[in-house]
Amino acid sequence: TQLLEQSPQFLSIQEGENLTVYCNSSSVFSSLQWYRQEPGEGPVLLVTVVTGGEVKKLKRLTFQFGDARKDSSLHITAAQPGDTGLYLCAGVVGARTYKYIFGTGTRLKVLA
Amino acid sequence: DTGVSQDPRHKITKRGQNVTFRCDPISEHNRLYWYRQTLGQGPEFLTYFQNEAQLEKSRLLSDRFSAERPKGSFSTLEIQRTEQGDSAMYLCASSPRTGGFIGELFFGEGSRLTVL
Repeated sequence: TQLLEQSPQFLSIQEGENLTVYCNSSSVFSSLQWYRQEPGEGPVLLVTVVTGGEVKKLKRLTFQFGDARKDSSLHITAAQPGDTGLYLCAGVVGARTYKYIFGTGTRLKVLA
Repeated sequence: DTGVSQDPRHKITKRGQNVTFRCDPISEHNRLYWYRQTLGQGPEFLTYFQNEAQLEKSRLLSDRFSAERPKGSFSTLEIQRTEQGDSAMYLCASSPRTGGFIGELFFGEGSRLTVL
């Protein structure tokens, strides 16, 4: 059973548009990460957030961790075809574990 | 170091056969993870090791799945009496010591299993 629900499940947009992906849970996470996965490859880390309310920016990507550490969002500004991929959030529940639980995934396609 | 290596990359087998996948993590990474992923979905946790100790195993796994990391280096994942529902990508990841902080998972390219 997945503890992390992502929305939307699929997103197809035109180059230059903005988008937001959401990651929600009923559980509190000690930290949360976002990964991007391209076909035939393993996921690659984009960012780690650890503090409730934290906001991190990575070029055109903005990541936010909810105040209660139960949810997170990823906002992409002026999307480019190179942003196409499967976006995954991943969280660790509890303080004495390194068990990473992944979200259900959001498949993004950016059309040129 | 060239990253996490998985072998074989592709495996086609008949229902009822046993299969084994191998994962070689990045050297000196003490944690090693196995996940299963179906097309378009997020990776599903199977198990993880810290050094040679298997610390957690998913309750979703039946007794047909077993994983080992005998010397704290490479790991194997064996699936006995395969079923068509086992068809998926099996991902391995490793993570370095982080002194209590959450570290990055470094993934291999996966082993794709097709059960006919």
